[in-house]
Amino acid sequence: DAKTTQPTSMDCAEGRAANLPCNHSTISGNEYVYWYRQIHSQGPQYIIHGLKNNETNEMASLIITEDRKSSTLILPHATLRDTAVYYCIVRVASGGYQKVTFGTGTKLQVIP
Amino acid sequence: DTGVSQDPRHKITKRGQNVTFRCDPISEHNRLYWYRQTLGQGPEFLTYFQNEAQLEKSRLLSDRFSAERPKGSFSTLEIQRTEQGDSAMYLCASNTLRGADTQYFGPGTRLTVL
Repeated sequence: DAKTTQPTSMDCAEGRAANLPCNHSTISGNEYVYWYRQIHSQGPQYIIHGLKNNETNEMASLIITEDRKSSTLILPHATLRDTAVYYCIVRVASGGYQKVTFGTGTKLQVIP
Repeated sequence: DTGVSQDPRHKITKRGQNVTFRCDPISEHNRLYWYRQTLGQGPEFLTYFQNEAQLEKSRLLSDRFSAERPKGSFSTLEIQRTEQGDSAMYLCASNTLRGADTQYFGPGTRLTVL
């Protein structure tokens, strides 16, 4: 799995968009970008994933650059409950064996 | 609640004691994973089951650790002769061959070894 680089921490004002960047310059053509988050004292929670097209679901939007070397997770209207550690993961979605390799993630603090 | 459940949520033990944790995956999920998470770090993979077969074990899983999934449903993780370095959050996740390649995590068991 390709390595990712994320900022250690970020702050965001409540109600504003939170934009969390991730660099994955060594990504391979068959590797997807996944985002998980982990709220304090809970297990990680899947947010979204994509290959090369931008994706949106009820939780967030994922913007992947054309060269696929970086991406941004967007929480459109951050709430206090979005305070968590956000993990960007790059991996093959083969339908086979699928362990997830987490880094240290970005600690997002949503401020009232 | 039909999510992944883990029991107990917290366990405090003395060094040298054995502990066992249980994970109940989402029903019909044939894949089950164990991870360990220490303070300030992301989860680290320990082992993986497909049905009752344990298909991979990380080098982190020393001889003191054993995991089972006897009937392809719930799983147990046992740590023998616990050490202070075993103190961590132990997370279980499950998924299925079908659908998106996402894993659904349980709330974890926090182990403290005194």
